[in-house]
Amino acid sequence: QSALTQPPSVSGSPGQSVTISCTGTSGDIGSFYSASWYQQTPGTTPKLIIFEVRHRPSGVPDRFSGSRSGNTASLTISGLQPEDEGDYYCSSYTHNSVLFGGGTKLTVL
Amino acid sequence: QGQLMESGGYRVRPGGSLRLSCTASGFTFSDSYMTWIRQAPGKGLEWISYISDDGETSSYADSVRGRFTISRDNTRELVFLQMNNLRNDDTAIYYCSRGKIYSDHWGQGTLVTVSS
Repeated sequence: QSALTQPPSVSGSPGQSVTISCTGTSGDIGSFYSASWYQQTPGTTPKLIIFEVRHRPSGVPDRFSGSRSGNTASLTISGLQPEDEGDYYCSSYTHNSVLFGGGTKLTVL
Repeated sequence: QGQLMESGGYRVRPGGSLRLSCTASGFTFSDSYMTWIRQAPGKGLEWISYISDDGETSSYADSVRGRFTISRDNTRELVFLQMNNLRNDDTAIYYCSRGKIYSDHWGQGTLVTVSS
């Protein structure tokens, strides 16, 4: 059960776009249409922002979008806002378990 | 609006046991897979276990298999995590969440500290 691979940190200025990658294997992200993304701002509980690769739960702004190419899932945040600053985690279902990435710290400059 | 609330977190010595509880409301509990996820201090998220809606199927992370047991009571809308033979590296905030492949509702978490 190896963790998914995310960059430790990304940054961007307000109004810019950033993309966070999440690399797995053919046994998880590559096989299951199940990549999801969570946002955790300081001192808060994780919040689901993308599920099944590209779907947004009700209430999540359309500035957040997800995609997948091969064994890599990606989260793109457009029109960065200061309140987007925090930690972002990807996850994927695999055979009878769930994997998380190590998390990416997003800094809004 | 689904809500989850964990309880049972405590400070315990290595080798000890704890039972965490999670109470659910605001959604059809008996139709929902439930999951436990933990987060060590200053670290990332780690999936621990899930249990099917009827309680018949469960799965565990390698790090806890054989030591932790997940269960549920659909009548009282509760899910449990029995943790035995606790180790220092089990120290974490333990979150209860709804779902199997992804978690769309999370509790606030309960802190488990394993220390001598």
